[in-house]
Amino acid sequence: NAGVTQTPKFRVLKTGQSMTLLCAQDMNHEYMYWYRQDPGMGLRLIHYSVGEGTTAKGEVPDGYNVSRLKKQNFLLGLESAAPSQTSVYFCASNGPIGLGYEQYFGPGTRLTVT
Amino acid sequence: DQQVKQNSPSLSVQEGRISILNCDYTNSMFDYFLWYKKYPAEGPTFLISISSIKDKNEDGRFTVFLNKSAKHLSLHIVPSQPGDSAVYFCAASPRGSTLGRLYFGRGTQLTVWP
Repeated sequence: NAGVTQTPKFRVLKTGQSMTLLCAQDMNHEYMYWYRQDPGMGLRLIHYSVGEGTTAKGEVPDGYNVSRLKKQNFLLGLESAAPSQTSVYFCASNGPIGLGYEQYFGPGTRLTVT
Repeated sequence: DQQVKQNSPSLSVQEGRISILNCDYTNSMFDYFLWYKKYPAEGPTFLISISSIKDKNEDGRFTVFLNKSAKHLSLHIVPSQPGDSAVYFCAASPRGSTLGRLYFGRGTQLTVWP
């Protein structure tokens, strides 16, 4: 049981390049989330999904797109990377809300845009 | 607008003493609160939670207190240990939320020195 995994762990992009971050969970969770963490800013929600085939915008969605084609995977895309997207990205998942609001986090992806 | 606030960016405590981390919130619809712990280069991990129907929840060395009238919660760690040195995030979820969405504070860096 790996929990929540993220690929890649590190990445350096040049301005204007695109990339996709992959999040996978093996807990059969319905809910998945993408956050970014910047110094002094805490965790800010980018996009989230409440089930396969559904996505919704969070607090800071601009410049990102997401897809949830399979229940276990949640992809975060950057179509044209900008230096402002330099950050650490965390994926999280949650099971049935009735059992609690605890989210389980992946180890993070450190992205640098030059 | 930050709905969950952790006004102390850092806290330094001697080993064996009590650590008290504070959190304030502005949204009266929040009714479930969580604390997460984060080590460098790792994802946040769930520590302890409390529902608004309670004013205290304990788990070993960790106790969370909730003061609904003051919209304030605190995490007490007794006794503090060097391994507790980490960033602690406070998070909250709105009443009746079916989205599992959490609102995070900016975190408090706790340093426990020998």
